[in-house]
Amino acid sequence: AQKVTQAQTEISVVEKEDVTLDCVYETRDTTYYLFWYKQPPSGELVFLIRRNSFDEQNEISGRYSWNFQKSTSSFNFTITASQVVDSAVYFCALRAPYEGNNRLAFGKGNQVVVIP
Amino acid sequence: DGGITQSPKYLFRKEGQNVTLSCEQNLNHDAMYWYRQDPGQGLRLIYYSQIVNDFQKGDIAEGYSVSREKKESFPLTVTSAQKNPTAFYLCASSIDGTGTKNIQYFGAGTRLSVL
Repeated sequence: AQKVTQAQTEISVVEKEDVTLDCVYETRDTTYYLFWYKQPPSGELVFLIRRNSFDEQNEISGRYSWNFQKSTSSFNFTITASQVVDSAVYFCALRAPYEGNNRLAFGKGNQVVVIP
Repeated sequence: DGGITQSPKYLFRKEGQNVTLSCEQNLNHDAMYWYRQDPGQGLRLIYYSQIVNDFQKGDIAEGYSVSREKKESFPLTVTSAQKNPTAFYLCASSIDGTGTKNIQYFGAGTRLSVL
């Protein structure tokens, strides 16, 4: 069955430090989609990125970057030069069209605390 | 502004009472979803609907019911059969339920507590 594991529960960093969030996934589908969402204290989940399984290019968007490696089934997320506004819970999610019937499977999330 | 509106933001339920959480979207999305979030946990799918007048159970549907009479609305009723309803409830929608454009966008959530 499709599964997403985010091992670290809470990560504290001092402002301007980099922080990397690990995401490991499992699926038997050969085509699948990976996502990262941010949940600030207000509660709403904010979509950050979607990656298709057939596109292993890494991506950078401002201070955010993503490293997708099919060989290790990982889709890690790095925040560079962290800021207090980055304090939130970050969720990794997987959508496997056949094995998961197109439903999103979420990891348990990483609580990031940026200390000023 | 296009988006997903959930109401109320906070809701209290008395024992034995049914309560209904509202979710409205003006994004013209076909698919809508309800998730439950407990502290320190990921999101778990309660119900989803890929089209009007159709919906399917998710992983934890017991004690909940939904309807999808209009494209823009997907209310969730927490029934008295749900013995542990205290949680944060999130509604989401996507353009469709199966296509490659299936990015789910979320509302701001409803926090339900039991009195």
